[in-house]
Amino acid sequence: DADVTQTPRNRITKTGKRIMLECSQTKGHDRMYWYRQDPGLGLRLIYYSFDVKDINKGEISDGYSVSRQAQAKFSLSLESAIPNQTALYFCATSDGDRNTEAFFGQGTRLTVV
Amino acid sequence: EDQVTQSPEALRLQEGESSSLNCSYTVSGLRGLFWYRQDPGKGPEFLFTLYSAGEEKEKERLKATLTKKESFLHITAPKPEDSATYLCAVALSGGSYIPTFGRGTSLIVHP
Repeated sequence: DADVTQTPRNRITKTGKRIMLECSQTKGHDRMYWYRQDPGLGLRLIYYSFDVKDINKGEISDGYSVSRQAQAKFSLSLESAIPNQTALYFCATSDGDRNTEAFFGQGTRLTVV
Repeated sequence: EDQVTQSPEALRLQEGESSSLNCSYTVSGLRGLFWYRQDPGKGPEFLFTLYSAGEEKEKERLKATLTKKESFLHITAPKPEDSATYLCAVALSGGSYIPTFGRGTSLIVHP
């Protein structure tokens, strides 16, 4: 089983719909992240969480919200999806105490029509 | 202005033709520089971490090096299976060690 699991893997939704992307991890890490990847733009940070009670906006948080339901679960919501939110979304985790590398999920490909 | 710049954006090599990818950063307080490999439609896969200037890491045909302002990923005698996008990320002490990524270098190795 993957250490970082994202669901769904693919999703097509209509403009204006609310959608939630889910992420769970078995690494036991305290830190979790949501990134968005667009062609030519690399990975951009949407939100990050250092623990269940510590959630912070990243560089492109407008139009998104998150919930850290438990140490192992971090979900991303699009309250009212719009076409320019069509992208590949990645969840990642890291061990903040050790400042080591981040581990990524397999991604969710979201298309807003 | 990007804090992390990767070059070139794309690179095509013949099998066996060695080359280097560059990752330069314009910030201070570096607490770690990470290299990842990403295959199409998949999540980035960790390759190396470098923490201080002069440090080097190797794995098969890949070797990563770090100076005070940039890192290089050297690919020796590449094979077609090395084709992927290579991502560089930095963790900064002023940024709570959150990984900040460059835009990546897309590498294609022709047989």
